[in-house]
Parts: sequence; structure tokens; C-alpha cells
Amino acid sequence: GAVVSQHPSRVICKSGTSVKIECRSLDFQATTMFWYRQFPKQSLMLMATSNEGSKATYEQGVEKDKFLINHASLTLSTLTVTSAHPEDSSFYICSAAGTEGSTDTQYFGPGTRLTVL
Amino acid sequence: GDSVTQMEGPVTLSEEAFLTINCTYTATGYPSLFWYVQYPGEGLQLLLKATKADDKGSNKGFEATYRKETTSFHLEKGSVQVSDSAVYFCALLNQAGTALIFGKGTTLSVSS
Repeated sequence: GAVVSQHPSRVICKSGTSVKIECRSLDFQATTMFWYRQFPKQSLMLMATSNEGSKATYEQGVEKDKFLINHASLTLSTLTVTSAHPEDSSFYICSAAGTEGSTDTQYFGPGTRLTVL
Repeated sequence: GDSVTQMEGPVTLSEEAFLTINCTYTATGYPSLFWYVQYPGEGLQLLLKATKADDKGSNKGFEATYRKETTSFHLEKGSVQVSDSAVYFCALLNQAGTALIFGKGTTLSVSS
């Protein structure tokens, strides 16, 4: 099946620094990638949807200047948490939809645990 | 807005026991419904789905039937195995077809 990787799997940073998380589709081309955030014992919350070569579409309440998303190629999307603060600590998950598939055919990465001190 | 509610876990069962994880939804129209599974250390994987009322999705011995009367999509398996231990997420596709809305997830632990 289709494989999506995330890097890093875990990151700890100081408050005020920026952190970049990569999401890669390893064996297929992803026209659309999604970024989710998951709090403990909570559901996955969609943050934004990005299409290759265009600006990301952010969900209501998500600060686009804080969570910068770049989808520069059909196999890579990045999420940068700028000036991170402890409240940004969370589990970030990406998913990718293939060129032939529709939005409901999403392949998920294993997630990145971000801890901001 | 659209939402998904699933039973809170953890659910702890012995091997070969019957499994039910309840899931109900609130949505406009009749959305496609999904069950995803997340094994330890791995990403979410699609387990099964149903796209219209009365459809039954099935995979790996798991089943779920789309019930529009009760707005439910309960996950069932007749005989669980230790390898089924994972977190299970119920989800729906929003009306625009642009986003998946997830429940909080239910942790299943099966012991031998």
C-alpha cells in the first residue's frame, strides 16, 4: 500500500523557536496533503489542506502565520510551527491523497510529537 | 457542524471475544463513513468504509453497517485477536468532500 513518512517523529524545542515537520509520500504522487493536530484523548483536528503548487487552505481558527505550510512538490509537504510556545505542544499528523484518488482515500503518516519547553 | 461520537475506551477483551465499538454521527445529508485503525507506532490505515445508507463495509473480519435511521456506523468483529489491539477511529467525509471529520478514537486491548 501507499506509504507516507514524517520527519522527525519526535522533537523537543525551546519556546520561541521554529520547528519544521516534513511529510513525504514515498511511493506515489500526492496532489493533496492534509495536516492534522491531535491532543491527548481527542480526535484528529484538520488544520489545513494543501495542494501542490498552491497556497494551503486553513481551517477556521488555525493561524496561517503561525503554521506555515508548503507543498512544493508532489511528494513533499512541510509544516513549520513558527515561534513555538508550550500550547503548541501536540501530535501532528499528515496525510496524502494520491493523484488518482479522491479526498476520502487518504494515507496517513505516523505522526510527529512536538514538545515545546 | 458535522461531528462524530464514538464510545470511549479503553476496551479490554480476551482473545476470541465479540467486539462492538459504537459510532454515531451528526451531519448534513448522507456522508461517506469510515473506520480507520492505528496500530502502535504506525499511521492511520483505512479499515473499511460505506458510502450510502444500508451499505456494509467489511475488511479483515470487521464489519460496519451504515444506518441512516440511527445515524450510526458501529464496528463489529465476531472473534478478536491479540493482533487487533490498536486505536480505532470513526470518521465521516464532509458534504463538500474536502475533509474527514474524526471521532476521538477508541483503544482496543486484546489479551490472550
